[in-house]
Amino acid sequence: GAVVSQHPSRVICKSGTSVKIECRSLDFQATTMFWYRQFPKQSLMLMATSNEGSKATYEQGVEKDKFLINHASLTLSTLTVTSAHPEDSSFYICSARENLGVTDTQYFGPGTRLTVL
Amino acid sequence: SQELEQSPQSLIVQEGKNLTINCTSSKTLYGLYWYKQKYGEGLIFLMMLQKGGEEKSHEKITAKLDEKKQQSSLHITASQPSHAGIYLCGARRRYYGQNFVFGPGTRLSVLP
Repeated sequence: GAVVSQHPSRVICKSGTSVKIECRSLDFQATTMFWYRQFPKQSLMLMATSNEGSKATYEQGVEKDKFLINHASLTLSTLTVTSAHPEDSSFYICSARENLGVTDTQYFGPGTRLTVL
Repeated sequence: SQELEQSPQSLIVQEGKNLTINCTSSKTLYGLYWYKQKYGEGLIFLMMLQKGGEEKSHEKITAKLDEKKQQSSLHITASQPSHAGIYLCGARRRYYGQNFVFGPGTRLSVLP
């Protein structure tokens, strides 16, 4: 099946620094990718929808200047957490949409655990 | 209160039994998604329903969206230990705009 990778899988950074997380679709092209944040106790939140070649669409309450999303190619989307603070510590997950007309599905990355000290 | 309610919160069934998980909203939904998260593993997208009355299947899992587009049921036939995990529903509350919400999840255990 289709594979989506995320890099890094884990990152620890100091408060005030920026962190970039990459999401790649390895064997298919994804015009749409999604970024999620998973809180403790399994609560999941969609942060934004990333469209190749255009600006990301952010969900209500998600600061676009804080969470910069770039979808520069059909296989890569990046999420940059700018000026990270301890409250940004979380598990960030991406998914990539494969729409073949007959089938329309998403494949999830394994997630990136961010810890901000 | 939760935008999407899921019931039951958790479920333990014997292997081979059928089961149903429900996802309910007080408002019309525009796009209802089902996902599964296996313990210690990543999320899996199961299916998406958009039209009222729509029904889709993924292996032994069938999901249906009611005519009012306010409730979806996920039915597993002849459950197996591999079906164990947390099932999440997610949905868009308005046709346009950024307003996707997730249910709290249903934890399923299947006893061999």
